Amino acid sequence: EVQLVESGGGLVEPGGSLRLSCVGSGFTFGTHTMNWVRQAPGKGLEWVSCIISTGARIYFADSVKGRFTISRDNAKNSLYLQMDSLRVEDTGFYYCSRGVGTSVVASHRFDAWGRGTLVTVSS
Amino acid sequence: QSVLTQPPSASGTPGQRVTISCSGSISNIGSETVNWYQQVPGTSPKLLIYSDYQRPSGVPDRFSASKSGTSASLAISGLQSEDEADYYCASWDDSLNGWVFGGGTKVTVL
Repeated sequence: EVQLVESGGGLVEPGGSLRLSCVGSGFTFGTHTMNWVRQAPGKGLEWVSCIISTGARIYFADSVKGRFTISRDNAKNSLYLQMDSLRVEDTGFYYCSRGVGTSVVASHRFDAWGRGTLVTVSS
Repeated sequence: QSVLTQPPSASGTPGQRVTISCSGSISNIGSETVNWYQQVPGTSPKLLIYSDYQRPSGVPDRFSASKSGTSASLAISGLQSEDEADYYCASWDDSLNGWVFGGGTKVTVL
């Protein structure tokens, strides 16, 4: 069974930092593109970042570019999101999701999702 | 304001057909495939439709989707109480070089 488990969320003050982790199991982690998608309380889904299987290519939403860093350790079946200079508007659930499709990232779909980890940015 | 535009709500009685629209532009829906996700309140999103109209195994054939030009739509036939959820369309955007989601449509079964 494919499983994704996020951790690392919590309460942080504006301007602070957090590092989220996601551990995958039940599949060959190192062959999949991985994504972070977030959801503010009571709001819709917002894609945050994507990293291809080898880590050679990464993409970010404009809203987090320059503040967030994505990385992965395929030996540990793990995905990370380093979040710096956090803002109140970064508050929400952060989901880790698996990308499936051809070698073209744009053709992918997110076929497995974790349960999310809550990040609260507040003073 | 989401890049992809969906109506905020839709509703129907059990057994009815409900349709949800998703409007984009040439840089996303007009040139890339569309995926649809279902999110039951309090749970994680679930892949419902991929590559414009394909259903993953396990998704009932009551769910169907189509695309034309820069718009896509999701249809739920034979609406059931368990279909009450939020539905999101998503597509890659070539100009933004990233994924974009619609704002979501809340489906209520009356």
